[in-house]
Amino acid sequence: QQPVQSPQAVILREGEDAVINCSSSKALYSVHWYRQKHGEAPVFLMILLKGGEQKGHEKISASFNEKKQQSSLYLTASQLSYSGTYFCGTQQQSGGSNYKLTFGKGTLLTVNP
Amino acid sequence: DARVTQTPRHKVTEMGQEVTMRCQPILGHNTVFWYRQTMMQGLELLAYFRNRAPLDDSGMPKDRFSAEMPDATLATLKIQPSEPRDSAVYFCASGAPGELFFGEGSRLTVL
Repeated sequence: QQPVQSPQAVILREGEDAVINCSSSKALYSVHWYRQKHGEAPVFLMILLKGGEQKGHEKISASFNEKKQQSSLYLTASQLSYSGTYFCGTQQQSGGSNYKLTFGKGTLLTVNP
Repeated sequence: DARVTQTPRHKVTEMGQEVTMRCQPILGHNTVFWYRQTMMQGLELLAYFRNRAPLDDSGMPKDRFSAEMPDATLATLKIQPSEPRDSAVYFCASGAPGELFFGEGSRLTVL
């Protein structure tokens, strides 16, 4: 079940903040966030686990609401280097033989000077 | 600098031809994924392996796609026969739970 991301695209000026949302219709064990720059491979940003653990990356942080099966990625004081497509990936069950990571369609973030 | 290596980086072929894409995962990673990326669908999971055993290939068109891991250092994705709708970027990723490392991708164009 592919998670749904919103918005599909967002344009910012350098220094502005942004929030990207990810939601699933299924109960989730973890949510993963990746960033992909044009023509490059996706790069891992962070993982949020069931149980409320939050992890941050520089000025990028995220939250995970288990009850709503939703996650949000917060980009604070955006920099030009933040431009790219952000993907959330969801895992429905913990480890073992069920480590299946399904990605949303992505949110294109453009940061202008 | 450990990284996932994919070959070829670019492939242009004609409809009906066989295409084989190869992936060398990072040494020590026991989980390997194949994803396909298109503008319309984003990153679609095609198949994944753990300790070389296929765990899920439900995302692959079974009649034309096949994925294997002959050994721990090589994963292959084969399309036979290829069709124009297979045109996409195919990514291999390896990792342990929590973080995947993606290769640079194989851009496939089927004419």
